[in-house]
Amino acid sequence: AQRVTQPEKLLSVFKGAPVELKCNYSYSGSPELFWYVQYSRQRLQLLLRHISRESIKGFTADLNKGETSFHLKKPFAQEEDSAMYYCALSGSSNTGKLIFGQGTTLQVKP
Amino acid sequence: NAGVMQNPRHLVRRRGQEARLRCSPMKGHSHVYWYRQLPEEGLKFMVYLQKENIIDESGMPKERFSAEFPKEGPSILRIQQVVRGDSAAYFCASSPPGLADPYEQYFGPGTRLTVT
Repeated sequence: AQRVTQPEKLLSVFKGAPVELKCNYSYSGSPELFWYVQYSRQRLQLLLRHISRESIKGFTADLNKGETSFHLKKPFAQEEDSAMYYCALSGSSNTGKLIFGQGTTLQVKP
Repeated sequence: NAGVMQNPRHLVRRRGQEARLRCSPMKGHSHVYWYRQLPEEGLKFMVYLQKENIIDESGMPKERFSAEFPKEGPSILRIQQVVRGDSAAYFCASSPPGLADPYEQYFGPGTRLTVT
């Protein structure tokens, strides 16, 4: 079964501290993975995807097929990073179907 | 470009009534996706439509739910005879034509349905 698990509902860190939001997936093929973010009172938006290998707003994520993980990391958290983060997996049909995790709220304290 | 529009933003229905949720994709986009978010859960895929076609409805409940994306006008998600368990946030997303990148999805603000 295709599944995405984000084990933490809430992650609270102080400004300047490193951040790692965990994401594990279950998928039988070669998945495509994404991180979406929803800032307060804004729409859900794509943050990054593993095939682009970009760093967006200082965030990176590496696909680890051995551990079936796609953790989102940032070395120094900023207050404006506070948001809801969703890890997502592409479905097998290549029709744009996304399978989302439950989401993790990141709270960056001053 | 105003982005993906959804209306209404909030909808209250009594049990047994019908709910109609509308989604206008971004200008130039011809693919529409509907997702449902139940309280304390992530978004769950419901259906993927192109103009006048349902491409993937693997996430749609078998009864009471239907979706369409007509040649003209917005995409409609219709829920007949609503029950309390239908209370959720319903999100629409759109993507550009072609299947080069179906995951480049732009989300609307969502419609929060409350069934009393």
